[in-house]
Amino acid sequence: EVQLVESGGGLVQAGRSLRLSCAASGFTFDDYAMHWVRQAPGKGLEWVSSINLNSGSIGYADSAEGRFTISRDNAKNSLHLEMNSLKREDTALYYCVKDGEASGTYFDFWGQGTLVTVSS
Amino acid sequence: QSALTQPRSVSGSPGQSVTISCTGTSSDVGGYRYVSWYQQHAGKAPKLMIYDVTKRPSGVPDRFSGSKSGNTASLTISGLQTEDEADYYCCSYAGSYTRVFGGGTTLTVL
Repeated sequence: EVQLVESGGGLVQAGRSLRLSCAASGFTFDDYAMHWVRQAPGKGLEWVSSINLNSGSIGYADSAEGRFTISRDNAKNSLHLEMNSLKREDTALYYCVKDGEASGTYFDFWGQGTLVTVSS
Repeated sequence: QSALTQPRSVSGSPGQSVTISCTGTSSDVGGYRYVSWYQQHAGKAPKLMIYDVTKRPSGVPDRFSGSKSGNTASLTISGLQTEDEADYYCCSYAGSYTRVFGGGTTLTVL
């Protein structure tokens, strides 16, 4: 059974940093691209960042570019998102998402999310 | 990276069909066959319903179908059931390893 368990969320002041992690199990982690998608309270889904199976391809939303860094540790079946210079508008539920392919074209399994709240 | 355009809401009666549109540009929806659709019930994580424009994952009823014409993709739900009431989001690959979501559509089954 595929499982994605996010951790690292919490309440943080604007301008500070936070590191999200996602522990993956139930599938061959290094066969798939992985993603972070967020959802602000009461709002829609927003793609944040993607990384392919060997970290050779990485992409960021404009809102994350230059502040967030995605990484993966295939030996530990884990995905991370380092978030710096946090802003109030980064407040959201952050989902760790597994792709259906190695290259990364769709989100086929979602974790339950970890909540990040940025205060002023 | 501008969000794809979806109608804010659609509605239909049980047994009817509804179609949700998702309009982008030639840089995203029109440029790739990597459009996917997600269903999200209140308080739950999203669920993949359609990928690669027309493909349906195992376990998703064949009442759900996807299509694309030019810069607009569509999700059609036929034989509406009460459990289909949810928010629906489209997503497209947008080049340079980026993706973009639509703003979401709330489906009400009357």
